[in-house]
Amino acid sequence: DTAVSQTPKYLVTQMGNDKSIKCEQNLGHDTMYWYKQDSKKFLKIMFSYNNKELIINETVPNRFSPKSPDKAHLNLHINSLELGDSAVYFCASSLGLAGRGETQYFGPGTRLLVL
Amino acid sequence: AQTVTQSQPEMSVQEAETVTLSCTYDTSESDYYLFWYKQPPSRQMILVIRQEAYKQQNATENRFSVNFQKAAKSFSLKISDSQLGDAAMYFCAFLTSGTYKYIFGTGTRLKVLA
Repeated sequence: DTAVSQTPKYLVTQMGNDKSIKCEQNLGHDTMYWYKQDSKKFLKIMFSYNNKELIINETVPNRFSPKSPDKAHLNLHINSLELGDSAVYFCASSLGLAGRGETQYFGPGTRLLVL
Repeated sequence: AQTVTQSQPEMSVQEAETVTLSCTYDTSESDYYLFWYKQPPSRQMILVIRQEAYKQQNATENRFSVNFQKAAKSFSLKISDSQLGDAAMYFCAFLTSGTYKYIFGTGTRLKVLA
């Protein structure tokens, strides 16, 4: 019973390509997140959706576009991939009560390598 | 802007011993939450413990406990009776009440020596 799942787990691609990472949660949570973890393990929030609405959009290049078809899914599409996009991308979810100190449940991460 | 600082990039502890990981944060808010997350080599981030800023009592979860010093803006994690399975990256995180933006520290890599 995977709570938060991501596909694919590994992604190796060439510069300039477009790729997507999918995330699904079966916890019934209302809020989902995308984080980027760089090579130094620094974890930074990119986006957050609550009930399919964008609520956090950090300073992220326009090449990154999140899409939430329903509240159980939050996908991340990346256009024109660059070397600096290489990182581990984590999806997470939480119940959705704004800032009530909820636990975030993380997916296993997607390691993206851009060559 | 809120910041979270973990000044120890790496720590080592002997199995069965106790280790403390430090975390300091900077905020002008009075209502917030603090967390410690563990990231083992498998990469899966798991919540270890959480603390509500308005509670003076330090949170505990089995072998894990925190020393929360609100005035000093310090939130350290104590791991007692360390086990090999505790080896991981540990991240301190901060959340202002009423927001969704969790802010993570840079992490501390904990090694447990047999």
